Amino acid sequence: LAKTTQPISMDSYEGQEVNITCSHNNIATNDYITWYQQFPSQGPRFIIQGYKTKVTNEVASLFIPADRKSSTLSLPRVSLSDTAVYYCLVVPISSGSARQLTFGSGTQLTVLP
Amino acid sequence: NAGVTQTPKFRVLKTGQSMTLLCAQDMNHEYMYWYRQDPGMGLRLIHYSVGEGTTAKGEVPDGYNVSRLKKQNFLLGLESAAPSQTSVYFCASSSTGGLNTEAFFGQGTRLTVV
Repeated sequence: LAKTTQPISMDSYEGQEVNITCSHNNIATNDYITWYQQFPSQGPRFIIQGYKTKVTNEVASLFIPADRKSSTLSLPRVSLSDTAVYYCLVVPISSGSARQLTFGSGTQLTVLP
Repeated sequence: NAGVTQTPKFRVLKTGQSMTLLCAQDMNHEYMYWYRQDPGMGLRLIHYSVGEGTTAKGEVPDGYNVSRLKKQNFLLGLESAAPSQTSVYFCASSSTGGLNTEAFFGQGTRLTVV
């Protein structure tokens, strides 16, 4: 399973755009990049996934360069309620795979007023 | 539309006692997982199942057993609880279909072993 590295913590102010970068140098061809969000005392919640280039949904955007060795989660105009831990995962997509989700320590994002 | 439900939400055990945590999902998912999360750390995989009647070890399986007798339920057992097993336990499920990697998590079980 590909290992991921992301900053331990980040601070931002309300209304700013936040970019959290994750490195995954040994990502495999059949791996997808997935991000989860976790609030205190809750289970993680899926945010977005992608394979290459750019993916956007109602919550965030995910930018993946051509070599796929890193990815950036972009949160537009954050609010106080976006304060959470954000996890970057590399998930294998192949027939019969167990899709084990390997969580690192994540990035603690703190949004300040 | 319950999703993933964990029972109980809180429990205090004495060292050496046994207990079973229940995870139930109503999404007809094939894959189910048990994780533990210690304070300030990420989630670590204990055991997982790729279908009814199958189970496999994850990253930290020692001291735990699991069973998947019904597709919708995944049970995590502690035969002889130890203080090192004090943690928050999360269950998750996901489908096998296509390119969707999304997993759904329960609300967690906070276990304290004294």
